[in-house]
Amino acid sequence: DTGVSQDPRHKITKRGQNVTFRCDPISEHNRLYWYRQTLGQGPEFLTYFQNEAQLEKSRLLSDRFSAERPKGSFSTLEIQRTEQGDSAMYLCASSDLSLNYGYTFGSGTRLTVV
Amino acid sequence: AQSVAQPEDQVNVAEGNPLTVKCTYSVSGNPYLFWYVQYPNRGLQFLLKYITGDNLVKGSYGFEAEFNKSQTSFHLKKPSALVSDSALYFCAVRDIEYDYKLSFGAGTTVTVRA
Repeated sequence: DTGVSQDPRHKITKRGQNVTFRCDPISEHNRLYWYRQTLGQGPEFLTYFQNEAQLEKSRLLSDRFSAERPKGSFSTLEIQRTEQGDSAMYLCASSDLSLNYGYTFGSGTRLTVV
Repeated sequence: AQSVAQPEDQVNVAEGNPLTVKCTYSVSGNPYLFWYVQYPNRGLQFLLKYITGDNLVKGSYGFEAEFNKSQTSFHLKKPSALVSDSALYFCAVRDIEYDYKLSFGAGTTVTVRA
């Protein structure tokens, strides 16, 4: 399988707990992205890595959110002290440098905070 | 800032009839435009892109899109819709300044009835 993999597919957590999601991009892709999608909305940009460097963080990302890509391969997105407003689909995508073919998305992690 | 608008939340067509999903864009300079499709509980799948060249772009699953610079539109079309085309469709534009970033429309839900 040469696509983008995300784990877990679904996560239900209690408010206040920490959660961590993983994304494995296409191995040849230098760029990795995290987006958030809520019901009835298009994906919203959260953050972007080129290799292991995190080059941009959206203002949507509060201090409770942190993302890493330690060796320029897989990435993790952690949410601390989850709130009900964090409930969403978290999408990971990767691309080459040209972006001529857009992004390749993973299937997403659906987070439900209860 | 770049943006796309999808003026229709929903499009309903009968199987075998033509399908059009509308998208208009706002961008300074030459736009890079994309269409993606999303099935329930899945990530987004790339359909087609316009970067330069012919205004009529052909993509996956029999879809095509027409770039119209004077109307700043990039409508997605399929000559004969299938029930399996029922899904959520997103138009996206590449950011001119931050060329790694795609901005998505709010999406259009397509329902094809048998």
